[in-house]
Amino acid sequence: GAVVSQHPSRVICKSGTSVKIECRSLDFQATTMFWYRQFPKQSLMLMATSNEGSKATYEQGVEKDKFLINHASLTLSTLTVTSAHPEDSSFYICSADSDRANEQYFGPGTRLTVT
Amino acid sequence: AQSVSQHNHHVILSEAASLELGCNYSYGGTVNLFWYVQYPGQHLQLLLKYFSGDPLVKGIKGFEAEFIKSKFSFNLRKPSVQWSDTAEYFCAALTGTASKLTFGTGTRLQVTL
Repeated sequence: GAVVSQHPSRVICKSGTSVKIECRSLDFQATTMFWYRQFPKQSLMLMATSNEGSKATYEQGVEKDKFLINHASLTLSTLTVTSAHPEDSSFYICSADSDRANEQYFGPGTRLTVT
Repeated sequence: AQSVSQHNHHVILSEAASLELGCNYSYGGTVNLFWYVQYPGQHLQLLLKYFSGDPLVKGIKGFEAEFIKSKFSFNLRKPSVQWSDTAEYFCAALTGTASKLTFGTGTRLQVTL
């Protein structure tokens, strides 16, 4: 099946610094990738939809200047959390559309801890 | 806006018991429905999906779900759960022309020996 990877799996950073998370589709091309945030014991909340070669579409309430998304190729999307604060600590998950219509494959997630 | 509701937040079952997890969605048009499972420490995996056709959908690991349009429901079932089914289960909906998934709040299933 389609595989999506994320790197790093876990990161700890100091408040005020920026962190980049990579999402890769390993064996398929993904024109669309999605970034989610999951708080402990809660559901996934869609942050933004990333389309290759164009600007990301952010969900209401998500600061686009804080969560920078770049989708430079059909297999890579990055999420950069700028000027991170402790409240940004969370589990960030990406997904990618497979070549099958309307089916997303999820990455393993990245645990971000801001101290 | 579309929404997905999962009313069972935490379910505890003994092994071999039957399982039914509720999922309701709010959207009157064409809807694609999914059940995902998240085992402890692992990423989301697709259990099954409904796009069209037979409303009774069979997925992996013995799971099935039934789409009942009149009730806006897509409940997940398994006749006999195993300890290894302990996980978080998420219902999700994809509606209209949007490719965005809306997730329910999840149900934590705990299967005891």
